[in-house]
Amino acid sequence: DTAVSQTPKYLVTQMGNDKSIKCEQNLGHDTMYWYKQDSKKFLKIMFSYNNKELIINETVPNRFSPKSPDKAHLNLHINSLELGDSAVYFCASSQTNEQFFGPGTRLTVL
Amino acid sequence: QQPVQSPQAVILREGEDAVINCSSSKALYSVHWYRQKHGEAPVFLMILLKGGEQKGHEKISASFNEKKQQSSLYLTASQLSYSGTYFCGTDVNRDDKIIFGKGTRLHILP
Repeated sequence: DTAVSQTPKYLVTQMGNDKSIKCEQNLGHDTMYWYKQDSKKFLKIMFSYNNKELIINETVPNRFSPKSPDKAHLNLHINSLELGDSAVYFCASSQTNEQFFGPGTRLTVL
Repeated sequence: QQPVQSPQAVILREGEDAVINCSSSKALYSVHWYRQKHGEAPVFLMILLKGGEQKGHEKISASFNEKKQQSSLYLTASQLSYSGTYFCGTDVNRDDKIIFGKGTRLHILP
């Protein structure tokens, strides 16, 4: 009955690889987000989608590509992974003001 | 523009009070407060939409001084469960793009 779920929970990969993180929400919300939280705990918005339409794109390298097949899903694909991409990535959803965060995906790039 | 939170860290004994401040260099539409426990996702505490508005959540309340572009989070009679990192987030353009501060680490000692 998880409201916002992400897979995988942990992701360890080599530099240069391509990886995807999946996010699903069962709250019926129209808006979904991706955030990056670095080692200093700085929580930074990357993208937001409203009903499958890209709304916010925050100067993220184009190696990062979000995809929303329907309003309940927002996936994040990352090409050519770099060491600096290591972080915890959080998906979130909202309908009004409160954002519900997923459990996070800890990405480690070696 | 990232809001500035102060203090960066607080250590309290159970039962003591704390105030966490959040200030912005830009006029704000709303201020959001979240708490994140170690290894977990951020959890919504409250949102303040109007200047001078105060909201409460158990023994945690907040104020928003629109004129000064500041918000404060008040934790009274702190409990062990209040430990975590508190983030304020600001929405300047009323577009759901929340920019989070660097967080305030709160540690409650028994």
